[in-house]
Amino acid sequence: QVQLQESGPGLVKPSETLSLTCTVSGRSITSNYWTWYRQTPGKGLEWIGNIHYSGRTNYSPSLKSRVTIFIDRSKTRFSLNLNSVTAADTAVYYCARGDGWHLYWGPGTRVTVSS
Amino acid sequence: EIVLTQSPGTLSLSPGERATLSCRASQSINSNSLAWYVQKPGQAPRLVISDASTRAAGIPDRFSGSGSGTDFTLTISGLDPEDFAVYYCQQYGDSPVTFGLGTRVEI
Repeated sequence: QVQLQESGPGLVKPSETLSLTCTVSGRSITSNYWTWYRQTPGKGLEWIGNIHYSGRTNYSPSLKSRVTIFIDRSKTRFSLNLNSVTAADTAVYYCARGDGWHLYWGPGTRVTVSS
Repeated sequence: EIVLTQSPGTLSLSPGERATLSCRASQSINSNSLAWYVQKPGQAPRLVISDASTRAAGIPDRFSGSGSGTDFTLTISGLDPEDFAVYYCQQYGDSPVTFGLGTRVEI
């Protein structure tokens, strides 16, 4: 059974970098794609981007200039960095396995951008 | 990017009734690459249907998906109390992946 768990600060100051990690258990990260989403009441579910175990990445055009997704050297985690955050980046962030439809999701972590 | 429009916004039904949810795309979706998810408060989305009509593991057969091109439907034949939640459609045939804004199925 694959399990994913997001972790990271729940509060980030404006203009700083939001950094989240998704820890994967039950399945090697060295296969498949791994994806980040976020959800807000106003915009709903939004695809941020994904990473293939080879290191190849794909990013949302609207976030591409501020996003980096990478796989941890431990090969059990993958991470999201979103820089120059504003209040508009306040959301629940989810990680998921796969590219396309997703059977496995983390429970989500709420991140608030505020001074 | 492909915009997905879900209707109705809210569906008010009773247990045992049939629910029909619509998802319309702004352009044709490649290879019927459309999924449906259900989400309950405080939880992550849960996959219900992939590839327009394939039920996910563990999903009861009262759930069915249909459609192609730009028009897709999720049908729940005989609502169970646990089915009252928000349903989202997602297209993954074109980048970026996009979601509809959801249909709330309420009692």
